[in-house]
Amino acid sequence: NAGVTQTPKFQVLKTGQSMTLQCAQDMNHNSMYWYRQDPGMGLRLIYYSASEGTTDKGEVPNGYNVSRLNKREFSLRLESAAPSQTSVYFCASSEGVAASYEQYFGPGTRLTVT
Amino acid sequence: AQTVTQSQPEMSVQEAETVTLSCTYDTSESDYYLFWYKQPPSRQMILVIRQEAYKQQNATENRFSVNFQKAAKSFSLKISDSQLGDAAMYFCAYGRDSNYQLIWGAGTKLIIKP
Repeated sequence: NAGVTQTPKFQVLKTGQSMTLQCAQDMNHNSMYWYRQDPGMGLRLIYYSASEGTTDKGEVPNGYNVSRLNKREFSLRLESAAPSQTSVYFCASSEGVAASYEQYFGPGTRLTVT
Repeated sequence: AQTVTQSQPEMSVQEAETVTLSCTYDTSESDYYLFWYKQPPSRQMILVIRQEAYKQQNATENRFSVNFQKAAKSFSLKISDSQLGDAAMYFCAYGRDSNYQLIWGAGTKLIIKP
């Protein structure tokens, strides 16, 4: 099992450019998440998808959109990148959204916006 | 609002010795979960140990154990017989089944001295 995979691993964008971060899981999990990690801070939830066909905003959704393409895939789109979006982005999945379910994380994407 | 505080930005320990990482949290709820996640240099988050608040017994996973003090809202992680592979960032997180969002601390960087 690959678990949770993310592409790309690294990306450099210019301000105003757009891009999509891809995430896929092979554990048949219902719920998927996008987080960002900034220096000196814990993870912050951007968006989550409780189940296929649903998406909801997390703590810091501004400037992002998501698509739950199917049960396996959950993508994060930056329509017009800003330097404040320079961060490491993690995708995670779990059987359900309840805290009792363990979240499994991908390896992250380091994004730099210049 | 719930918060999670890790007051030690960095800790170091000699290989084979024991180290304790601190975490405090603030909540008015009685039913919740607490987690310790490890993030090695590879960046991928891995669950180390979790504690259900309704359980009085402290969770243990091999060399990792917690000291859960519910009244004091304290949740420390003890690593016994530290190994070089334990070097990583360690994050404390709080969650509830009724709320999709985990609340994360800022992390503690653990350095293992050979």
